[in-house]
Amino acid sequence: QQPVQSPQAVILREGEDAVINCSSSKALYSVHWYRQKHGEAPVFLMILLKGGEQKGHEKISASFNEKKQQSSLYLTASQLSYSGTYFCGTEDNQFYFGTGTSLTVIP
Amino acid sequence: NAGVTQTPKFQVLKTGQSMTLQCAQDMNHNSMYWYRQDPGMGLRLIYYSASEGTTDKGEVPNGYNVSRLNKREFSLRLESAAPSQTSVYFCASSMLTGTGAPEQYFGPGTRLTVT
Repeated sequence: QQPVQSPQAVILREGEDAVINCSSSKALYSVHWYRQKHGEAPVFLMILLKGGEQKGHEKISASFNEKKQQSSLYLTASQLSYSGTYFCGTEDNQFYFGTGTSLTVIP
Repeated sequence: NAGVTQTPKFQVLKTGQSMTLQCAQDMNHNSMYWYRQDPGMGLRLIYYSASEGTTDKGEVPNGYNVSRLNKREFSLRLESAAPSQTSVYFCASSMLTGTGAPEQYFGPGTRLTVT
């Protein structure tokens, strides 16, 4: 039931864009996105509910397609502060975090 | 507000020893969670408590017990530690659990090594 994320890791230069995907084998009612910096606790970014809406958080936005059981996180014009591991999270009686995507932004 | 606090921050145990990890939140949240995080495995739910007085097993409950002491506190106990329980343990809380539940707030984590 753990959602699968792709890619596993990505390296970007400042200003470049990235997309992180999250796929579930089960029907999705909502998707959470979190970011975890090295040695720290995960921090909530956004939640998307059924309806395919796209939500934004500064230059980080996400979409949710419940029919495809997928969500994507879009990072535009990346900054050094975006580095970290990104996790999606889904609910199915209990909460499951995805496998994680390590994102490194270099100058 | 301190948010979610965990003690201890670090712990080294010998195989077979027992210990309790403590977690407290001051946000008046109903739901609390215990996760473990291993390299390459992401975060996996051990136990959760949807509300005071209730606890449920998560994905990886074997070898652990929990107590929801009151609305604020949720403890995790290892009765007989094993090297496979070496991990980083995170406590989290949210206002609700279940479908459409809002964001979870995480504590700073406990790094546990079992030798």
